[in-house]
Amino acid sequence: GDSVTQMEGPVTLSEEAFLTINCTYTATGYPSLFWYVQYPGEGLQLLLKATKADDKGSNKGFEATYRKETTSFHLEKGSVQVSDSAVYFCALLLSNDYKLSFGAGTTVTVRA
Amino acid sequence: KAGVTQTPRYLIKTRGQQVTLSCSPISGHRSVSWYQQTPGQGLQFLFEYFSETQRNKGNFPGRFSGRQFSNSRSEMNVSTLELGDSALYLCASSLGGVGPYNEQFFGPGTRLTVL
Repeated sequence: GDSVTQMEGPVTLSEEAFLTINCTYTATGYPSLFWYVQYPGEGLQLLLKATKADDKGSNKGFEATYRKETTSFHLEKGSVQVSDSAVYFCALLLSNDYKLSFGAGTTVTVRA
Repeated sequence: KAGVTQTPRYLIKTRGQQVTLSCSPISGHRSVSWYQQTPGQGLQFLFEYFSETQRNKGNFPGRFSGRQFSNSRSEMNVSTLELGDSALYLCASSLGGVGPYNEQFFGPGTRLTVL
């Protein structure tokens, strides 16, 4: 079935460090890929998305590129801030479907 | 524009009881999806409603049910609660199409604790 595998956490970084969270997927057909972020005590917020191969999604300094050849959608940020501390979820959505399939989530803590 | 609202935010129940959670979608959105979030299983899809009809259902027992009203508000019900039902229940609303252009907006969730 369709599934998402993401890098296990927790990840602890210092401010201004480089962040990478790996995400790979298995899907029938051609899914769209998403990164969601969950801050403490809140619901999920869409961070960025990519709808086809080689698309790059970007938002708030975060980037991810849809790599069909490696079935990956790794999240990167060049210089993290304390406010980036959150749980990050990779997700996929098939073109003919309504439900998102999520990875396990990666907890990121950024220390000042 | 108001976001997705969920009530109540926190709930404590005992085993064997039943519970009803409510979700009000963003104005104009006709689709509501429900997800269960637990530390062990992560985020799992429960069901999705569009114009009062269930279009999709996840792999959960029949104790989990839902419905949607004509104003698009949705409720989910869990009967005969078990300890394992303790979770954060998230609701998401969208316009209702399929695929990536139908962005889902999530509410803050209802934290259910079963004692």
